[in-house]
Amino acid sequence: KAGVTQTPRYLIKTRGQQVTLSCSPISGHRSVSWYQQTPGQGLQFLFEYFSETQRNKGNFPGRFSGRQFSNSRSEMNVSTLELGDSALYLCASSSGTFDTDTQYFGPGTRLTVL
Amino acid sequence: GENVEQHPSTLSVQEGDSAVIKCTYSDSASNYFPWYKQELGKRPQLIIDIRSNVGEKKDQRIAVTLNKTAKHFSLHITETQPEDSAVYFCAVRRGYSTLTFGKGTMLLVSP
Repeated sequence: KAGVTQTPRYLIKTRGQQVTLSCSPISGHRSVSWYQQTPGQGLQFLFEYFSETQRNKGNFPGRFSGRQFSNSRSEMNVSTLELGDSALYLCASSSGTFDTDTQYFGPGTRLTVL
Repeated sequence: GENVEQHPSTLSVQEGDSAVIKCTYSDSASNYFPWYKQELGKRPQLIIDIRSNVGEKKDQRIAVTLNKTAKHFSLHITETQPEDSAVYFCAVRRGYSTLTFGKGTMLLVSP
């Protein structure tokens, strides 16, 4: 099976702009989780979507939002970008049907905010 | 919410030595404990995981032990090799809640 893919791989934006990142899960997986990775904070959970519904949400401001489509592909959006939003954004997919599912990560999108 | 502490933050060993990384967690109802390895510039990859009904699991040179009473679990790597150099993350999950990650351990294996 093809792995988790993310597009784009790199993005440069300026403060105040908005950005949309995309994640395509492994075929058959219905859960997609998003994480922000920074050197200081490690891997921080943003949100999880399962069958087009947000199942879990992390402690990020409302500028961070997401959605999932009927084919399980997911997008996350960050509005009014701030310098501190510069990070590697990772998505991970799993079947979502077992509480001990393995999560498989995508390669990430490196976002730089200038 | 869940709190995961991971130690040490950096670990340097000589090739052939063993390496041990320890994580403690706060939620006694947590039932799933994976370990991920992230090489520089690459995605995190699962290397081993353990469920709460198991005390130990091995996969070649890698093992994980779980002490539910003390709420800690450890990653053991034996006969370390330079290609084991990476950042290792532990994680904890309760039911269908989120995975909560430790801050990571940078392992450096010197030839």
